[in-house]
Amino acid sequence: GESVGLHLPTLSVQEGDNSIINCAYSNSASDYFIWYKQESGKGPQFIIDIRSNMDKRQGQRVTVLLNKTVKHLSLQIAATQPGDSAVYFCAEVSSGSARQLTFGSGTQLTVLP
Amino acid sequence: GAVVSQHPSRVICKSGTSVKIECRSLDFQATTMFWYRQFPKQSLMLMATSNEGSKATYEQGVEKDKFLINHASLTLSTLTVTSAHPEDSSFYICSARIRSTDTQYFGPGTRLTVL
Repeated sequence: GESVGLHLPTLSVQEGDNSIINCAYSNSASDYFIWYKQESGKGPQFIIDIRSNMDKRQGQRVTVLLNKTVKHLSLQIAATQPGDSAVYFCAEVSSGSARQLTFGSGTQLTVLP
Repeated sequence: GAVVSQHPSRVICKSGTSVKIECRSLDFQATTMFWYRQFPKQSLMLMATSNEGSKATYEQGVEKDKFLINHASLTLSTLTVTSAHPEDSSFYICSARIRSTDTQYFGPGTRLTVL
């Protein structure tokens, strides 16, 4: 199913602190998950992905954690910078031939100086 | 690599006119392209899936006669909003997927304003 928010949850963090953005996905049959960053007036930008056979994946300054038991995904950003301010969306891809992407509702991250 | 472009980036039109938006994959061949719509402060909603050389598959509630999609080549898909009305004003975003992969690469979006 799809998760569409009428307003975006917000998260404010101090520059240099770590950020954790959470996402609850809806389809237990999803086997691939992606985090996207979207700056105002722009398209989504790929950050990191993870397959369902993993529970953790690390990139540069970012880590994604997957808990399939409770259908929860999180994105951790280390040493958050002003340029990290954006809306972050998780997205899931269901198993099956269509492989459609379904977006979560998004979280607005604001980095405070 | 994996760059997707959209044109125009912004368009303002009068009610009743039609608007065409182009989506191009610049450095790869996209067997499948997707069109999304995004309203302010909301998530992306999939409108349709477009496969090269075949008819688009529309999501429930999306009028196929109003949102015409053509995917004539492996690098180009177009979305035409026919007889646009103010409620069609939105941010339209396309994405492209390389064959046999799950990753979608998104274009920069097109801001449509219908007066």
